[in-house]
Amino acid sequence: KAGVTQTPRYLIKTRGQQVTLSCSPISGHRSVSWYQQTPGQGLQFLFEYFSETQRNKGNFPGRFSGRQFSNSRSEMNVSTLELGDSALYLCASSLGPAGVGETQYFGPGTRLLVL
Amino acid sequence: AQKITQTQPGMFVQEKEAVTLDCTYDTSDPSYGLFWYKQPSSGEMIFLIYQGSYDQQNATEGRYSLNFQKARKSANLVISASQLGDSAMYFCAMREGRGQNFVFGPGTRLSVLP
Repeated sequence: KAGVTQTPRYLIKTRGQQVTLSCSPISGHRSVSWYQQTPGQGLQFLFEYFSETQRNKGNFPGRFSGRQFSNSRSEMNVSTLELGDSALYLCASSLGPAGVGETQYFGPGTRLLVL
Repeated sequence: AQKITQTQPGMFVQEKEAVTLDCTYDTSDPSYGLFWYKQPSSGEMIFLIYQGSYDQQNATEGRYSLNFQKARKSANLVISASQLGDSAMYFCAMREGRGQNFVFGPGTRLSVLP
């Protein structure tokens, strides 16, 4: 079974631009979560989607948004990019919504560099 | 308040020896799950092992075992017979029982020496 895939793997943008990252979950998984990883802040939760509905949202500004499609694929968008948005963006999928024992499986990540 | 603490920023271990990576957590929820992930330099987070708060026995997965001490709120990862390929960042994570998101610790960088 194929794992979580993320596209693109690497991205370079300039300040003020916007970016869209894509995530395809493991087949059969309906929950997708997004994380931002930086050396200074570590792994921070962005949002979680299940059945096209946002179930949880982390403490990020409104410039960060996401959505999930009927095939469970998810996209996240960052508008008006700032230098501090440079990070590794990780997507994770799980079978169901946020449950205590629901293991998340991660994709390879998208490395975003904002110049 | 930080919910997951990993006090060892970096650790070294000799190949073929066992190593313990520490993780303590903070929650008032009686229902929670604890997870360990490995992140090689490539960036992908690899799931290693899971322990539920109500599980009576410590979880094991191959060379990985979780030393779960509920009263102390610790969930240490034990890697037996370390291999060079075990060199990576290791993250402890928790999910509480109220439909909350994953919370990750700061990670421990493990280096396995030949």
